[in-house]
Amino acid sequence: AQSVTQLDSQVPVFEEAPVELRCNYSSSVSVYLFWYVQYPNQGLQLLLKYLSGSTLVKGINGFEAEFNKSQTSFHLRKPSVHISDTAEYFCAVSHPSGSARQLTFGSGTQLTVLP
Amino acid sequence: DTGVSQNPRHKITKRGQNVTFRCDPISEHNRLYWYRQTLGQGPEFLTYFQNEAQLEKSRLLSDRFSAERPKGSFSTLEIQRTEQGDSAMYLCASSLVPETVEKLFFGSGTQLSVL
Repeated sequence: AQSVTQLDSQVPVFEEAPVELRCNYSSSVSVYLFWYVQYPNQGLQLLLKYLSGSTLVKGINGFEAEFNKSQTSFHLRKPSVHISDTAEYFCAVSHPSGSARQLTFGSGTQLTVLP
Repeated sequence: DTGVSQNPRHKITKRGQNVTFRCDPISEHNRLYWYRQTLGQGPEFLTYFQNEAQLEKSRLLSDRFSAERPKGSFSTLEIQRTEQGDSAMYLCASSLVPETVEKLFFGSGTQLSVL
């Protein structure tokens, strides 16, 4: 079985500061990894994904994440955040060969950008 | 492409009543997923369809829950004899095989409150 742990439930940060949202996963086989963002009263929007290849993945809105197989991590980073980045962020994992290949999500990290 | 549409956006019901939610996926998408998201948690997989066939159900989907996708287009999720523990956001997502979780589009969800 696969699982995802997001180590920080809330991350406050000042505008224009860098941020890192941490994600660790547990799986005995290779995985696909994702970061989604959820704004209030909206559905989830894909930020970026790792399927294979380069371990540094760039996504939308200036976010990037690095896949680290030895540490089973997929931390999300942004060098300079904006007020508009305030949202809930979810890390998710999927098995490439699973029958449904549905996503298993972490419990989320609320990012609050302060002026 | 109008995205994944879910109706209603909010539903308030009394314990013991039946409720039904509707999801209209992106028109050409043949795979449709239902997820449930409770407060402070990430979404949890409930079930998925490929065209009109329901191919997998999570153990979270008790006998009181039933989902259908009669013509392989829109889907409904019915909860019978609702309980307070059913209060959650119900999310629908769709994709086009073979890119399933790699390109998954979520709706804005239906927020259910059981009083």
